[in-house]
Amino acid sequence: ILNVEQSPQSLHVQEGDSTNFTCSFPSSNFYALHWYRWETAKSPEALFVMTLNGDEKKKGRISATLNTKEGYSYLYIKGSQPEDSATYLCAFTSGSARQLTFGSGTQLTVLP
Amino acid sequence: DAGVTQSPTHLIKTRGQQVTLRCSPKSGHDTVSWYQQALGQGPQFIFQYYEEEERQRGNFPDRFSGHQFPNYSSELNVNALLLGDSALYLCASSLGSPPYNEQFFGPGTRLTVL
Repeated sequence: ILNVEQSPQSLHVQEGDSTNFTCSFPSSNFYALHWYRWETAKSPEALFVMTLNGDEKKKGRISATLNTKEGYSYLYIKGSQPEDSATYLCAFTSGSARQLTFGSGTQLTVLP
Repeated sequence: DAGVTQSPTHLIKTRGQQVTLRCSPKSGHDTVSWYQQALGQGPQFIFQYYEEEERQRGNFPDRFSGHQFPNYSSELNVNALLLGDSALYLCASSLGSPPYNEQFFGPGTRLTVL
């Protein structure tokens, strides 16, 4: 059984604060790590797909890093805005699987 | 491009009934995966269809079945509904098979079983 853990489960930050979340996953047989942003009543939106140890990806104020040897990824949001409020999901794929194995997500609320 | 669409948006059924959920993939995509998201959990993989065949299946009973049509759209069928089947059902499409390929999700169908 593959276990993907995300922390924290939820957090509230003030507008302008920077924040980060953690995703941990099995380090053996790693293939890819995906980050999604999911706003209420909308479809999950893909942020990043990362495959190589040491990968760093950036999209505007959001960035992510990947450590496949120790099995974790960080998602950073710089200068949080109220529109960043969403649930952030990470999903792991092993080499033998075709499906995404998701964590339970981090629910972010950015207070104006 | 309409993206991934799902119907219906919401559905209420009673225990023992059967339900069919529908998914149209993003234009150009040929692979459809179905996920179940129960309250407080991340989405759980049900199965994936490619070339009208079930390619891989998650840990779900045979009451969950699916179909993919020649136009790549897909249906998820659940028989003998249980209260525990109440969840958000998400459809995701991709070109070819993950894990490399990005999966695009629809907004989901909210199923309530009474």
